Amino acid sequence: AQSVTQLGSHVSVSEGALVLLRCNYSSSVPPYLFWYVQYPNQGLQLLLKYTTGATLVKGINGFEAEFKKSETSFHLTKPSAHMSDAAEYFCAVRRNQGGKLIFGQGTELSVKP
Amino acid sequence: EAGVAQSPRYKIIEKRQSVAFWCNPISGHATLYWYQQILGQGPKLLIQFQNNGVVDDSQLPKDRFSAERLKGVDSTLKIQPAKLEDSAVYLCASTDQGVTEAFFGQGTRLTVV
Repeated sequence: AQSVTQLGSHVSVSEGALVLLRCNYSSSVPPYLFWYVQYPNQGLQLLLKYTTGATLVKGINGFEAEFKKSETSFHLTKPSAHMSDAAEYFCAVRRNQGGKLIFGQGTELSVKP
Repeated sequence: EAGVAQSPRYKIIEKRQSVAFWCNPISGHATLYWYQQILGQGPKLLIQFQNNGVVDDSQLPKDRFSAERLKGVDSTLKIQPAKLEDSAVYLCASTDQGVTEAFFGQGTRLTVV
């Protein structure tokens, strides 16, 4: 069975600092991996995804993530945090195109001025 | 291109009452999901449709929850009777063959009092 673990339910950084949100997954087959962002009272918006090919993927708003198969990880990073990055971030895994998305429990990112 | 539409955005009901949510997926998308997101948790799949057929409803509390997708387009999710623990955001998402990510609506926030 697939599962996703996000380390840290809450991460706080200063504006301009590095953002690192951790995600580990378990899957019996190479999965599709996603990061979604959720702003208050909004739905989920796709930040980036890994399907095949290059293991470093770039997304919107300056975020990127690296798929490391040996570590079963897909950590999300951004070199310099902005106040507008404050939101809830969800890592998700999907076994194939027709399958369901399985989400981690989420990490709330706070950005201090 | 219009996104996933959901209504209502907010709903407050008393326990033991019934409630229904509506979702209109992105035009042409064959796969439709309903997720339940309890405060502080990641979304959990309730039911997945492929056209008008059910693919996965293993996590749907069938004694009180029901869902349908007549004609393979719009979908409704119903709760009858509602319990306090049903308070959550109900998210609808859609995707299609050849599309790796799912697109989410803004959700319906249900409060059961």
